[in-house]
Amino acid sequence: AQSVTQPDIHITVSEGASLELRCNYSYGATPYLFWYVQSPGQGLQLLLKYFSGDTLVQGIKGFEAEFKRSQSSFNLRKPSVHWSDAAEYFCALSGGSYIPTFGRGTSLIVHP
Amino acid sequence: NAGVTQTPKFRVLKTGQSMTLLCAQDMNHEYMYWYRQDPGMGLRLIHYSVGEGTTAKGEVPDGYNVSRLKKQNFLLGLESAAPSQTSVYFCASSYSGTGDTEAFFGQGTRLTVV
Repeated sequence: AQSVTQPDIHITVSEGASLELRCNYSYGATPYLFWYVQSPGQGLQLLLKYFSGDTLVQGIKGFEAEFKRSQSSFNLRKPSVHWSDAAEYFCALSGGSYIPTFGRGTSLIVHP
Repeated sequence: NAGVTQTPKFRVLKTGQSMTLLCAQDMNHEYMYWYRQDPGMGLRLIHYSVGEGTTAKGEVPDGYNVSRLKKQNFLLGLESAAPSQTSVYFCASSYSGTGDTEAFFGQGTRLTVV
């Protein structure tokens, strides 16, 4: 079975501060990992994805994520948050079934 | 580029009524999915399809049926709506099931069952 855990339901940061959203996964082999962002009232948009190779992947909007096999983690980071980054963020895993499994999401609140 | 289009965007149903949600994609994708999103629950897979004429159950299939008669369309039906089916429904599609392809999402359908 495969699963994704996002331990933080809400994260609050000040504009300009750094950000790290946590994602842990459970899967028996190397998974395909994704981060999606959902703005209010919208569908999900892909931020970045990891398949193999370099464990640090770059995405759109200045986001990056690091795959750590030893910790079964794929945390999302951004060095300086903008007010427009306020949204819901979902970590997802695609394993042997190739069907995406999503975490519960983390709501990012940005204070001015 | 339309991508994935869901209709309707909003709907209010009375308990016991039936309805069909339509999902259409213009990207020639093989795989299509229906998810429901509830507060604190993330996205849960209802049903999915790996190609025209095929469907399969996901994590929360009870109370829903689906059909994929044409490759570009994936329909989600509620036979007898219940208040527990109040949710936001998302359709998604992906090019193939090789795992390394991203899913493209529609804008969602907000359904309220009273």
